[in-house]
Amino acid sequence: GAVVSQHPSWVICKSGTSVKIECRSLDFQATTMFWYRQFPKQSLMLMATSNEGSKATYEQGVEKDKFLINHASLTLSTLTVTSAHPEDSSFYICSARDLRLRPTQYFGPGTRLLVL
Amino acid sequence: AQKVTQAQTEISVVEKEDVTLDCVYETRDTTYYLFWYKQPPSGELVFLIRRNSFDEQNEISGRYSWNFQKSTSSFNFTITASQVVDSAVYFCALSEGGSSNTGKLIFGQGTTLQVKP
Repeated sequence: GAVVSQHPSWVICKSGTSVKIECRSLDFQATTMFWYRQFPKQSLMLMATSNEGSKATYEQGVEKDKFLINHASLTLSTLTVTSAHPEDSSFYICSARDLRLRPTQYFGPGTRLLVL
Repeated sequence: AQKVTQAQTEISVVEKEDVTLDCVYETRDTTYYLFWYKQPPSGELVFLIRRNSFDEQNEISGRYSWNFQKSTSSFNFTITASQVVDSAVYFCALSEGGSSNTGKLIFGQGTTLQVKP
């Protein structure tokens, strides 16, 4: 149980294009989803927290207009990197939890984004 | 402020050795949760254990064991008889508890464990 999927796992795009990453909780309802960014050999950096049906809460320094997060249902959240640039290249990971059940976050497999 | 420190950046052991990964945390909350996650080379974080602040009972799961000591604010992780498949980055994390918790995880910097055959 507690499986989270992410799609795509890899994406290569040209500078200036937008990229959408999907995060789905497959066997539970996620009251909250989190989006992280991870650079090589570093820890995870929380970008934003999203609760189903409400606006995402962004961490300080994260541009909300650049990283659009939508959490339209209890099983799906999306992260859109708008007008991507090479510096946006990174490993993006989502996690999900159902606070009604337990406080554990379960993580997706991650999406590697390369912007050329 | 909440903080998690994993002082060991990299550890290298030979297969079948025991290894302990250290985790020290700081928080002002009286209710909180501690976690360990494993990140193999594939990148996916795998949940290993959650411990509540009011439960200091140590836990053993197969070759894995955890030692939680509130007196020293530590939540150490021991792998007994390590195997090559244990090679990964291990993260310790902390989240606040209570009814108003946001669920945010504060991660340590991670410890890279390399188990050599």
